[in-house]
Order: sequence, then structure tokens, then C-alpha cells
Amino acid sequence: DAGVTQSPTHLIKTRGQQVTLRCSPISGHKSVSWYQQVLGQGPQFIFQYYEKEERGRGNFPDRFSARQFPNYSSELNVNALLLGDSALYLCASSLGGGQGASPLHFGNGTRLTVT
Amino acid sequence: GENVEQHPSTLSVQEGDSAVIKCTYSDSASNYFPWYKQELGKGPQLIIDIRSNVGEKKDQRIAVTLNKTAKHFSLHITETQPEDSAVYFCAAAGYTGNQFYFGTGTSLTVIP
Repeated sequence: DAGVTQSPTHLIKTRGQQVTLRCSPISGHKSVSWYQQVLGQGPQFIFQYYEKEERGRGNFPDRFSARQFPNYSSELNVNALLLGDSALYLCASSLGGGQGASPLHFGNGTRLTVT
Repeated sequence: GENVEQHPSTLSVQEGDSAVIKCTYSDSASNYFPWYKQELGKGPQLIIDIRSNVGEKKDQRIAVTLNKTAKHFSLHITETQPEDSAVYFCAAAGYTGNQFYFGTGTSLTVIP
């Protein structure tokens, strides 16, 4: 079975530009989460979506936005890029719903470099 | 919010020895504690998890223990192998599972 797929794998952008990252979850998973991982640190929560609705938002500025589509895929958008946005952006899918937290299954990420 | 601390940041062991990584959390509402292994150029991979109604869980060479009273949990890897070399992250999540809080990672090196 295919795991979580993310595209593109690498991206180089200039300060002030906008970027869109894409994610396809594991088949049957209805929840998608986005995390930012700066080199040498653990992943930091950005968003969680379940059944196309935002269920959680981390401490990130409004320049970050996301959405989930009817097929449960998701996009993360970042506007007005800053040098500090350079990081590995991870998408994770999970079953969602039900009682209790569902295990997150991560993709291999999109490496964003802002110059 | 939740704060997860992880120690040590680096760990080197001889092949065949055991490795132990420890994490503490601050929010008593957290009740789900997964561990992830991240290899270079890849995303974190779930290796084992434990819920707060269980004190210990084992899967072959990997085990996790949880002490709810002290708010700490540990990863134990026995009979380490070179392929165990990677960065390991602990995490904590509450009942809703909307947000996972990760530790800062432990870089494990297994010396052949």
C-alpha cells in the first residue's frame, strides 16, 4: 500500500514569494496534519484537518494556511516567505475520528529553502 | 500547552548493547505517547506507541515504559544493531489527538 506522498520533494524560493506544498494521505485515512521541522529539532505542529475541517492550529502566523479536499488530500500554503521558513515540511495522515489519538504516519517531507 | 523534554541528545553504544532514551511531559491530560525513528532524508517512522492505561509495551527488541505519576516515558532498545542508528523522537498527545508535541530528538549511533 502507498504511504503518505508529498510533493515536491525539494523547493527553492526567494523571500516574499508564495509556496504551495501538497500531500496525499494513506488510503482510508481521513485526517491530515502538517508539521514544520527545523534542522536539529523535533517537528512542530502547524495544522490538523479532519473531514475537510480545521481541527487544530499551531502557533504559526497567518501567512500559513491549509485546506483539505474531498479526496482527503491537502495543501499547505505559505505567503510572504521569510528566511526563517526554511525547513522540512512534513505531512502526516491518520485515521482520525473515534476516541483517542490516532497514530500519525509521516511522508518524507518537502525540503523548502528560502533565499 | 504541553512541553516534552528528551534526553540524551546524543547516544553512542556498542553493537549488541542496550540503549535507553527518556522523555518527560508536563500536561497530565496527555494520554498517548508514540516513538518515531527518523533516518537521514526521510520522514519520522512510527516504531512503537503506548497509551496511558498501560505501563509497558514490548515489540521484539523495542520496549516502551510509562510512569504516569512521574510524567515520564522511556524507549528501550535491546541487542542494538548498526541499522538502529538514526534520530529518535518521543511525542505526546491528548485525547483529541489534534496536536502532537515532539521532543528535540536523540541521535543514536550503534558502533559495529
